[in-house]
Amino acid sequence: GAVVSQHPSRVICKSGTSVKIECRSLDFQATTMFWYRQFPKQSLMLMATSNEGSKATYEQGVEKDKFLINHASLTLSTLTVTSAHPEDSSFYICSASPGQPTEAFFGQGTRLTVV
Amino acid sequence: AQSVTQPDIHITVSEGASLELRCNYSYGATPYLFWYVQSPGQGLQLLLKYFSGDTLVQGIKGFEAEFKRSQSSFNLRKPSVHWSDAAEYFCAVGASAGNMLTFGGGTRLMVKP
Repeated sequence: GAVVSQHPSRVICKSGTSVKIECRSLDFQATTMFWYRQFPKQSLMLMATSNEGSKATYEQGVEKDKFLINHASLTLSTLTVTSAHPEDSSFYICSASPGQPTEAFFGQGTRLTVV
Repeated sequence: AQSVTQPDIHITVSEGASLELRCNYSYGATPYLFWYVQSPGQGLQLLLKYFSGDTLVQGIKGFEAEFKRSQSSFNLRKPSVHWSDAAEYFCAVGASAGNMLTFGGGTRLMVKP
């Protein structure tokens, strides 16, 4: 089956530092990847959509300069949280789409804690 | 714009009892519908999906869901709940199979022994 690997699964960083989260499709090529964020006891909200070789499309209210997304290859997308603050602490989860007619597959998620 | 409503934030059922989790969606075209389960601190596991065809879909772990276009619903059911089913359940809708998803607020299921 289709496997999406997300790394790291947990990360703790100091306020003001940057953190990079990787999302890899292990056994398929993903032309499109999605990044979601889930605050404690809340639902998942789409942050951005990334297409290989293109700039990401960010949802309203998501700061593109703070959440840098790079989709440099068909199997890898990265999300970098720059100058992280405690309010950025959240569960970040990616999904990768191999294209129609199959659904996108989710990674395991990354728990980010900013102290 | 698409949206999903899960009216029940919390549901408690006894082990062995039947379960129905409600999901209502709003989408102007043919929806692609999903149910996911999330255990505490974990990622998402796909239970089942509806793209087209038979409106009653079977999923993993004994779950099923029925798509009712007239009611804009996609309710999840299980005839006999196990203690291990306790988790958060999310209904989601997309414009196509591999597109972005809009999630409902989730329903937390608790199972009484």
